[in-house]
Amino acid sequence: GESVGLHLPTLSVQEGDNSIINCAYSNSASDYFIWYKQESGKGPQFIIDIRSNMDKRQGQRVTVLLNKTVKHLSLQIAATQPGDSAVYFCAAVTGGFKTIFGAGTRLFVKA
Amino acid sequence: DGGITQSPKYLFRKEGQNVTLSCEQNLNHDAMYWYRQDPGQGLRLIYYSQIVNDFQKGDIAEGYSVSREKKESFPLTVTSAQKNPTAFYLCASSSRQGPSYEQYFGPGTRLTVT
Repeated sequence: GESVGLHLPTLSVQEGDNSIINCAYSNSASDYFIWYKQESGKGPQFIIDIRSNMDKRQGQRVTVLLNKTVKHLSLQIAATQPGDSAVYFCAAVTGGFKTIFGAGTRLFVKA
Repeated sequence: DGGITQSPKYLFRKEGQNVTLSCEQNLNHDAMYWYRQDPGQGLRLIYYSQIVNDFQKGDIAEGYSVSREKKESFPLTVTSAQKNPTAFYLCASSSRQGPSYEQYFGPGTRLTVT
């Protein structure tokens, strides 16, 4: 079946360093991708999205890269801060509706 | 403020009892969803509704039921037939109009059944 997976369940980085969280998806028809951040005991919050006709999109301190050839996307967080500690999910959307979520990578930021 | 509310935040029930989780949104979104989240796993879709008075089963609908009588509300009932109901339940909504297909999530309800 269709799947979205993350390469590492946990990632630990030093405060101030850049973080890179990876995600792979299986459906080549997926045309929209979203990264969510989920803090403990809360619902996921939107971080950034990207359409399949783009390969890079930047936000404030975050960048998403999309490689459709290998069905891979990544989230880069610049100058990681303690407040960035959370679980990060990627989601792949197909046909404007069907959404598959990955299991999440827990980011730990060391002071 | 527009958003999604879920209540209660924590819910405790005895095995064999049905329980209903509330989800309300004031975002004027047509689509609403219920997900279950277990430790170390991604979100699993229980039910979704694209329009009032219509809903479809997701990947793990057994033991759950929903209704969509109003656009703003999409309550989930966890029945006694659900074999492992203890989990974190998330409600979400989205606009069907595009261009963004982002789902907006509520704060979640943590259900514990003993």
